[in-house]
Amino acid sequence: GAGVSQSPSNKVTEKGKDVELRCDPISGHTALYWYRQSLGQGLEFLIYFQGNSAPDKSGLPSDRFSAERTGGSVSTLTIQRTQQEDSAVYLCASSSPEGSGRDNEQFFGPGTRLTVL
Amino acid sequence: SQQGEEDPQALSIQEGENATMNCSYKTSINNLQWYRQNSGRGLVHLILIRSNEREKHSGRLRVTLDTSKKSSSLLITASRAADTASYFCATRWGGYQKVTFGIGTKLQVIP
Repeated sequence: GAGVSQSPSNKVTEKGKDVELRCDPISGHTALYWYRQSLGQGLEFLIYFQGNSAPDKSGLPSDRFSAERTGGSVSTLTIQRTQQEDSAVYLCASSSPEGSGRDNEQFFGPGTRLTVL
Repeated sequence: SQQGEEDPQALSIQEGENATMNCSYKTSINNLQWYRQNSGRGLVHLILIRSNEREKHSGRLRVTLDTSKKSSSLLITASRAADTASYFCATRWGGYQKVTFGIGTKLQVIP
């Protein structure tokens, strides 16, 4: 069955370049989350989209980070002028509409491993 | 911050033994969930316990929740080498679907 997909699976870039990471959530899932996980660390919340509501951007670490979700489906996380400290695995997750009975479970994609040289 | 903290951060046991991991959090929650992560990639949902529940079972997993102490524990009985992974607790709080993840416990089960 179709799960959450992310692309690319790995991205190596040079410091100062911009990168775009893509997430395709499960069809019908209205909630979409982006997290960052540095090596051996926990998950750091970045941003949360819910339907047509304004996204919760409270976790974005700087104004170099932005994300959008077009048509309530695919999401793109953009990092401008990448720095070495941006190197991490970026995970995307989606969940069912609130009140659907399974809205608590997040389904994760495999992640994008970003390396900034 | 609402971020939970798992304890211990790393645990190494022999196959067949039980593994217990703990999670503490800071504010009132709607529910608490445990996730598993293999090889630093996507997480898989294991079990959810609601704030009005005290214990829940799923196969070899047993979760307890003590809201007075703001803590939860995950017990894996009769561990297997395949249980080797990182385990995270996640708390849902506030009025919407956002959850906050802890830093994880890295479990190694030695065959």
